[in-house]
Amino acid sequence: DTAVSQTPKYLVTQMGNDKSIKCEQNLGHDTMYWYKQDSKKFLKIMFSYNNKELIINETVPNRFSPKSPDKAHLNLHINSLELGDSAVYFCASSQEDPRRRGAYNEQFFGPGTRLTVL
Amino acid sequence: GQNIDQPTEMTATEGAIVQINCTYQTSGFNGLFWYQQHAGEAPTFLSYNVLDGLEEKGRFSSFLSRSKGYSYLLLKELQMKDSASYLCAVRDPMDSNYQLIWGAGTKLIIKP
Repeated sequence: DTAVSQTPKYLVTQMGNDKSIKCEQNLGHDTMYWYKQDSKKFLKIMFSYNNKELIINETVPNRFSPKSPDKAHLNLHINSLELGDSAVYFCASSQEDPRRRGAYNEQFFGPGTRLTVL
Repeated sequence: GQNIDQPTEMTATEGAIVQINCTYQTSGFNGLFWYQQHAGEAPTFLSYNVLDGLEEKGRFSSFLSRSKGYSYLLLKELQMKDSASYLCAVRDPMDSNYQLIWGAGTKLIIKP
């Protein structure tokens, strides 16, 4: 059973296109995240949702728009793709609301989506 | 500000022991995580420390000193499959975004 799944695993597209990445978790977790990992392997948080509510919205271009139709799904839509968007995008989930003091907050990661913009 | 420092790369020999250090400077502290990430794969959870001391889990142990802002991950009886990046992440309750603060990771290379 896959705990956190993402589709597609690989995405190659031209500059200027619009693309979406989907994420689903079957762990019953309340919180989901999108991370970007660049070529230097540094994980950067982009967004986080808790029960469909946006709770983390880092400084990312507004070409990136997350959507959470329910707490098991968090999709990422990217408009007008640029060369600098090439990276691996990871979805993750955690049981608890990270805003709760003392939350354990172990995060479970999806397999990643390798986006290449040409 | 918030900052986490780890060595960029380390090399060790199969069967040996290696210690990967992590130092952090954050406004607050509410737990430190270690994750393992094999090349081309997702990070996977290894350990969690919130109190000072050593947490042991099989061949892997993690140590925390909150007063020093310091942690290490100790890997014993190294195996070739331990070649991976090891990421340190700190939970800072003072962070207005409630996020984990991630280090850049230490790439561990195991040689026969």
